[in-house]
Amino acid sequence: DAKTTQPTSMDCAEGRAANLPCNHSTISGNEYVYWYRQIHSQGPQYIIHGLKNNETNEMASLIITEDRKSSTLILPHATLRDTAVYYCIVRVGDNNDMRFGAGTRLTVKP
Amino acid sequence: GAVVSQHPSRVICKSGTSVKIECRSLDFQATTMFWYRQFPKQSLMLMATSNEGSKATYEQGVEKDKFLINHASLTLSTLTVTSAHPEDSSFYICSARGLSSPLHFGNGTRLTVT
Repeated sequence: DAKTTQPTSMDCAEGRAANLPCNHSTISGNEYVYWYRQIHSQGPQYIIHGLKNNETNEMASLIITEDRKSSTLILPHATLRDTAVYYCIVRVGDNNDMRFGAGTRLTVKP
Repeated sequence: GAVVSQHPSRVICKSGTSVKIECRSLDFQATTMFWYRQFPKQSLMLMATSNEGSKATYEQGVEKDKFLINHASLTLSTLTVTSAHPEDSSFYICSARGLSSPLHFGNGTRLTVT
């Protein structure tokens, strides 16, 4: 599976957009980009995933570059409850097991 | 949406005893479930893949005789930590996927071995 690189930590002001980058330069054509987050002492929560096109749901938007070598997760109006570790995972679509890297610790500040 | 339930959420046991953790998919059938372990300030590490009706597949370095996995039905997988030691104290998390949904995770079980 393609490896991902994320910043270790980021801060964001409450109410502002949080933009979390992820590099996956070795991604192959059949690999999806998944985003999960883990709030302290809870199981990971699915956020969004995509293959080529940008995606949006009620939680976030996912912007994937045209060459697919990087992506950005956007939380449009961050709240204090969005403070969590965010994981970007690249995986073939029909493979189920997710393998987690270190992720980005996002701290939303008042 | 897909819900995965894990029980218990917390358990304290004495060294040498065994502990069973249950993972249920509440609104979908899961032929495959996954077990993870997470130590403080670390990421999740995949321990094993649980297959309904067959033996689990363990990741390298995970002792299959210590971490017994049973996946007896399409909605239930159990992880039994046998002869628990203090170093087994960790956060154990299961996950499962329905037919057309991404992987969903339980809320984890915090095991403390005294």
